[in-house]
Amino acid sequence: DQQVKQNSPSLSVQEGRISILNCDYTNSMFDYFLWYKKYPAEGPTFLISISSIKDKNEDGRFTVFLNKSAKHLSLHIVPSQPGDSAVYFCAGVSGTYKYIFGTGTRLKVLA
Amino acid sequence: SQTIHQWPATLVQPVGSPLSLECTVEGTSNPNLYWYRQAAGRGLQLLFYSVGIGQISSEVPQNLSASRPQDRQFILSSKKLLLSDSGFYLCAWSKIRVSGNTIYFGEGSWLTVV
Repeated sequence: DQQVKQNSPSLSVQEGRISILNCDYTNSMFDYFLWYKKYPAEGPTFLISISSIKDKNEDGRFTVFLNKSAKHLSLHIVPSQPGDSAVYFCAGVSGTYKYIFGTGTRLKVLA
Repeated sequence: SQTIHQWPATLVQPVGSPLSLECTVEGTSNPNLYWYRQAAGRGLQLLFYSVGIGQISSEVPQNLSASRPQDRQFILSSKKLLLSDSGFYLCAWSKIRVSGNTIYFGEGSWLTVV
């Protein structure tokens, strides 16, 4: 059972434009959601998180939106930069220790 | 500050050989510890997690096992590797009993079973 799904395996965006990465989940017990960025052959690094009691969290160029009724979250990157090219993972966590990740979306920002 | 290290970084092993990947965390105590695997097209799959010494939870049936002999040490093992065990293995930690806390990953270990 894939509790966290990222249905777009890849996305290409022009530099300076908005990148929107989407994530759907099925587990209504998730109380936090996190986004991670991963370069090849490296461990993922944390980008931004959101509590399930909020619908938006912003940090610089990164904004995460949560729609609980639709069990959907999205990560917006504005403006997109070539250095943002990486694989992005969303994750949900219920309780204090079980982090479930999606399959990832490969973002390519074109110069 | 807290750091996490895992080794070896790269491993090429024949089918049927044993495996031991090690991970240590420094700068914190009583962390939650995790092993994830990134296989092609499969995202980050949770393999094992541990909330304390000797406490291991397995998420998927497989050819692997995990142990936590010390508070900040997590070991991934196999007695006999299969071709399907190839992948990128990631150790991670998070703060225990802190809801919504960030999970931090190590550098990863590439395992190729030949």
